[in-house]
Amino acid sequence: KQEVTQIPAALSVPEGENLVLNCSFTDSAIYNLQWFRQDPGKGLTSLLLIQSSQREQTSGRLNASLDKSSGRSTLYIAASQPGDSATYLCAVNTDKLIFGTGTRLQVFP
Amino acid sequence: GAVVSQHPSWVICKSGTSVKIECRSLDFQATTMFWYRQFPKQSLMLMATSNEGSKATYEQGVEKDKFLINHASLTLSTLTVTSAHPEDSSFYICSASYPGQGINGYTFGSGTRLTVV
Repeated sequence: KQEVTQIPAALSVPEGENLVLNCSFTDSAIYNLQWFRQDPGKGLTSLLLIQSSQREQTSGRLNASLDKSSGRSTLYIAASQPGDSATYLCAVNTDKLIFGTGTRLQVFP
Repeated sequence: GAVVSQHPSWVICKSGTSVKIECRSLDFQATTMFWYRQFPKQSLMLMATSNEGSKATYEQGVEKDKFLINHASLTLSTLTVTSAHPEDSSFYICSASYPGQGINGYTFGSGTRLTVV
């Protein structure tokens, strides 16, 4: 059974810091991995999608890497801002999306 | 592109009544949609996979007679919570896979906050 874990569970940092969010999964047989952002009481916004054949994807200040063989993905957030405060979820695609436990991020001015 | 619209965004209902939630793909056809529920401060748990023109596939532990799913067209899936009880209060989110680069990605609706009183 696929299990997806995210570390840390919560993170509180001053703005400007570069951040690392970790995601690990137990079964490497995935099609792709997707990172999402969720604001309180809202739906999900897709941030980055990494296919199983890819090593990383970049969008603006966000960079996500994927090491499928070791079952790990990392989301880097450069120069964090208060507007980045949200819960970040990773999800692996195995014909259906299995979500991680999430990282609650707070960036304070 | 690849927008999923979900309605209502919130609903309050009395215990014992039924509630219907709609999920529409606006600019693409979705042969498969997914329904999730999320309890406060927890991650999303997949409830069922909705297939256009056929029966939904439910995850283990999800009561199919309580959570009725209908996917009658390529752009609409509905989730009906029947005989709702306070323990059904949760955040329900739908999603659909969309054609993209390589294997499909997923896009999500904005969610429905259900409160059963």
